[in-house]
Amino acid sequence: NAGVTQTPKFQVLKTGQSMTLQCAQDMNHNSMYWYRQDPGMGLRLIYYSASEGTTDKGEVPNGYNVSRLNKREFSLRLESAAPSQTSVYFCASSAWGGSDGYTFGSGTRLTVV
Amino acid sequence: AQSVTQLDSQVPVFEEAPVELRCNYSSSVSVYLFWYVQYPNQGLQLLLKYLSGSTLVKGINGFEAEFNKSQTSFHLRKPSVHISDTAEYFCAVTDDNYGQNFVFGPGTRLSVLP
Repeated sequence: NAGVTQTPKFQVLKTGQSMTLQCAQDMNHNSMYWYRQDPGMGLRLIYYSASEGTTDKGEVPNGYNVSRLNKREFSLRLESAAPSQTSVYFCASSAWGGSDGYTFGSGTRLTVV
Repeated sequence: AQSVTQLDSQVPVFEEAPVELRCNYSSSVSVYLFWYVQYPNQGLQLLLKYLSGSTLVKGINGFEAEFNKSQTSFHLRKPSVHISDTAEYFCAVTDDNYGQNFVFGPGTRLSVLP
């Protein structure tokens, strides 16, 4: 099983450029999440999708948009990248909510210069 | 609002020694508690979770954690560590089933020395 697949694994952007981070899961999970990880700050929730057709803001949504394309796919878009968005981004999924525990992808390391 | 404190940012320990990684949380309601491990350049992997029932929870790779409601703690322990346990460990808490209030601690980097 592939689990949660994220693409790309690495990306360098110039300030103001846009890009979309892709995430797909093959576990038939209902809930999907996007986190960013910064040194000393743990993981912070950007957006989540409790089920197909719904999306909600997390702790740090500014500068990001998401799309739950179908049950399998949940993308994260940066419309105009800023250096403050340099981070490692993780996609995660769960069968139904947080109490199941999450399955994480391997991450996308994004650098904005 | 919930919060999670991991008092030790780094814990060095010699191989085959015991280790305890501390986690304290604040929440006004009943919670679910988790420990995740992150190996270098990988995503997080669930080690164990406490939802209800027995306060001593056993997880993968020989780790266990004890939920202490009065001290609002969920410390992670292993009686004998291996070099392969070198990783970053995250404590997390949520008070709901839907994930929007899932809060991670800042992490503890465990370094196992030969």
